[in-house]
Amino acid sequence: GAVVSQHPSWVICKSGTSVKIECRSLDFQATTMFWYRQFPKQSLMLMATSNEGSKATYEQGVEKDKFLINHASLTLSTLTVTSAHPEDSSFYICSARPLSGQGGYTFGSGTRLTVV
Amino acid sequence: GENVEQHPSTLSVQEGDSAVIKCTYSDSASNYFPWYKQELGKGPQLIIDIRSNVGEKKDQRIAVTLNKTAKHFSLHITETQPEDSAVYFCAASIGDYQLIWGAGTKLIIKP
Repeated sequence: GAVVSQHPSWVICKSGTSVKIECRSLDFQATTMFWYRQFPKQSLMLMATSNEGSKATYEQGVEKDKFLINHASLTLSTLTVTSAHPEDSSFYICSARPLSGQGGYTFGSGTRLTVV
Repeated sequence: GENVEQHPSTLSVQEGDSAVIKCTYSDSASNYFPWYKQELGKGPQLIIDIRSNVGEKKDQRIAVTLNKTAKHFSLHITETQPEDSAVYFCAASIGDYQLIWGAGTKLIIKP
């Protein structure tokens, strides 16, 4: 089945530094990947839609200069949290769907970001 | 836009009993309805999905039913086991694009 690999699974960083999270589709190609943020005991909140070869589409209220998304190939999208602050601490999850359109969305295992 | 409501927020059932989680959606154009299971500290995992041209789909102990007229769909888990304990999310989308998520249901299986 479709597999999405997300790294790192957890990261602790200091305030003011930047953190990059990678999302790879291992056995399929995806022109579109999605980045979510999840707070404890809450549902997934879509942050942005990552499009291969073009700019990401951000949801209302999400700062595009703070959450940089790059989708350089059909199998890799990255999310960089710039100048991280404690309020950015959260669980970040990516998802992707095969280019063929068959099958549902597959999610990565998530990244727990803690900013100290 | 689409809105998905999910109930209950918490469901506790005895091991071996059945569990039912219900979702309603607002946009009649929605045609894809997946269910995801999320364990603590992990990403959601697709467990079953249904498209609007089908009324019911089954996969072993898991089934999903869809009522397009009433705009609701339900997840049914029979013969529940301890490993079924998790948070379950429903979602809806139009044309397999952006998923609109329910708030989630924490399922607790009591031994």
